[in-house]
Amino acid sequence: RKEVEQDPGPFNVPEGATVAFNCTYSNSASQSFFWYRQDCRKEPKLLMSVYSSGNEDGRFTAQLNRASQYISLLIRDSKLSDSATYLCVVNKGTYKYIFGTGTRLKVLA
Amino acid sequence: GAVVSQHPSRVICKSGTSVKIECRSLDFQATTMFWYRQFPKKSLMLMATSNEGSKATYEQGVEKDKFLINHASLTLSTLTVTSAHPEDSSFYICSASLGAGSYEQYFGPGTRLTVT
Repeated sequence: RKEVEQDPGPFNVPEGATVAFNCTYSNSASQSFFWYRQDCRKEPKLLMSVYSSGNEDGRFTAQLNRASQYISLLIRDSKLSDSATYLCVVNKGTYKYIFGTGTRLKVLA
Repeated sequence: GAVVSQHPSRVICKSGTSVKIECRSLDFQATTMFWYRQFPKKSLMLMATSNEGSKATYEQGVEKDKFLINHASLTLSTLTVTSAHPEDSSFYICSASLGAGSYEQYFGPGTRLTVT
């Protein structure tokens, strides 16, 4: 079983839709969680850290469920510019990241 | 803040030659930097962790003699692909951590290596 698992998608959604991604992790000792966004042939960019209490940044909401060992990302009012691959990242308390394979999102006009 | 640069952004070289890629943290000091490679439509694969002033820690299966890493200062790490072969063609990305308990990593723009 992979340490971090994501549905690769693609998720094709119309503009204005709400879309949610989940990511599961296998190591209960995991401490830090992040969502990154990666555009085609570009580097990953930090979208948001995921805290136990959940956090929201504009149209983006991230949540952590330690009991079930998953994190989620909710995007409201999708824009064309949201089309990208969303990478789930887990950290076990060192500086080393473990990446999921990414979920591709396509927002359609 | 937290800007990481990489140079070159793209390089084409012949088999058997060596290529050096630089990774710089522009506005912060990074005691730890990371080197990844990414194949098309795949996720990032960690190659090694670069520690300033000490030897890099390589992931299992990554040849340390082929991928030489030097982290000589708090703002610069280099990756040298020695005796490159076509199978080394890939997208190489570095990242740097702010450290001091902050686990967020900031990525450089990547270097696309093509070995002919």
